[in-house]
Amino acid sequence: QKEVEQDPGPLSVPEGAIVSLNCTYSNSAFQYFMWYRQYSRKGPELLMYTYSSGNKEDGRFTAQVDKSSKYISLFIRDSQPSDSATYLCAMVDRDDKIIFGKGTRLHILP
Amino acid sequence: DTGVSQDPRHKITKRGQNVTFRCDPISEHNRLYWYRQTLGQGPEFLTYFQNEAQLEKSRLLSDRFSAERPKGSFSTLEIQRTEQGDSAMYLCASSKPGQLYEQYFGPGTRLTVT
Repeated sequence: QKEVEQDPGPLSVPEGAIVSLNCTYSNSAFQYFMWYRQYSRKGPELLMYTYSSGNKEDGRFTAQVDKSSKYISLFIRDSQPSDSATYLCAMVDRDDKIIFGKGTRLHILP
Repeated sequence: DTGVSQDPRHKITKRGQNVTFRCDPISEHNRLYWYRQTLGQGPEFLTYFQNEAQLEKSRLLSDRFSAERPKGSFSTLEIQRTEQGDSAMYLCASSKPGQLYEQYFGPGTRLTVT
């Protein structure tokens, strides 16, 4: 079992819909949880990071962490075609290394 | 603050040749990371530096790979005797002291080994 599991998609949703992206993990030692967005042939861009269980909101984006279930989510409200990208979840392990999921390809249909 | 830069952006080389990539982090960031990313996968950790000290190396990093950060500023990643399996995007990231969860990535160097 990989330490971080993420459905690669692709996920296609109509413009304006709410998008839900998820990751599960197996290592209970993971501390910080991050979401990155990556456009084709570009480096990843940090969207949000969280530390504790609960929700964190930033504009149209909400990150949710459930440590008891080892499950994290990213919600995108009022999705736009410009949100079409690959979304990577990532977690920090006890050795300060970041472990990434495979990424979910998201397509927002105009 | 111009962000993390990497050079070159693309490199095509023949199997068996050596290649070297450069990364310039954000100036006040003391941590610098190297990752490798292949198609359809997330970035895989290779190594990281805190200032000039290399603190961690992945088991993925064979002895053909070497990284340096001689003055705690820019870093180089060298691959000797390249193999076709080395073809990937090589990403560099940097972070501030104590904020390793807030890494900023460069645009990457795409390596193609023919």
